[in-house]
Amino acid sequence: QSVLTQPPSASGTPGQRVTISCSGSTSNIGRNTVNWYQQLPGAAPKLLIYHTHQRPSGVPDRFSGSKSGTSASLAISGLQSDDEADYYCAAWDDSLNGHWVFGGGTKLTVL
Amino acid sequence: QLQLQESGSGLVKPSETLSLACTVSGGSINDNSYSWGWIRQPPGKGLEWIGSMYNSGTTYYNPSLKSRVTISVDTSKNQVSLKLTSVTAADTAMYHCARGDVVAAADRWGQGTLVTVSS
Repeated sequence: QSVLTQPPSASGTPGQRVTISCSGSTSNIGRNTVNWYQQLPGAAPKLLIYHTHQRPSGVPDRFSGSKSGTSASLAISGLQSDDEADYYCAAWDDSLNGHWVFGGGTKLTVL
Repeated sequence: QLQLQESGSGLVKPSETLSLACTVSGGSINDNSYSWGWIRQPPGKGLEWIGSMYNSGTTYYNPSLKSRVTISVDTSKNQVSLKLTSVTAADTAMYHCARGDVVAAADRWGQGTLVTVSS
C-alpha cells in the first residue's frame, strides 16, 4: 500500500481537461514539494513536474501542478491521445530520517 | 547528454544477494548538486523508491528496505551500485537507476533492468 493515495484510473476525451489527485500527510505533501512522473507503456518514467508546479525543459505547459494542504493535483489540459500513460506523484517524507514516497499511480485513458 | 545504464544479474536465487551497477555517461557522478540512487517497479505495479546517495556520503533508504540495502558510488568508474540482501520473490522487479536532487526523487532515469528472484 502506497504512502501517497492516487485514484487508480482517470479518463477524458481529446481536448478535455483532466485532473489527477494525490493525497498525503503533514510529513510529506504537507511540508514538502511534489513531483509528478509520466510513464508511457513500456518506457521508463519521465519527470513531468518538480517543486510542485515547475516543468522541466521540454514539458508542454498543458501540464500543470498544484498543492493545497496535504493534497496535490496534476492537471492536463488539451488532452491528447499520446497523454495516455500512467502518472505517479512523489514527495519527500520527513519521517524516519527522511525518504521519498510515491503514489500508487493513476492510469489515464484517452477515450 | 546524460545517460544511465544498469547492468547486473537478471536472475537471483531466494535468500541470495541482488547486485546491480549503473554506469553514468555524459556527466560526472561527482556533481554535488545531485544524488544517485535506485527505484524499482514490480511487474504490473507501481514505483517504489529504494534509496539514494549524495557525494557527501549521506545516504537515505526506504525504511521498509533499509536493513537489506546498500547503495554506494564509485567515482573512479562513474558508477552507482545497489546491493539487496536476502531477496525473496517480492523483490522481483524492474530496477531503475536514477539521478535526483532535493526537489525531485529522479530527474533522469535509466531504462531499467529486470531482476527475477527464483530458484
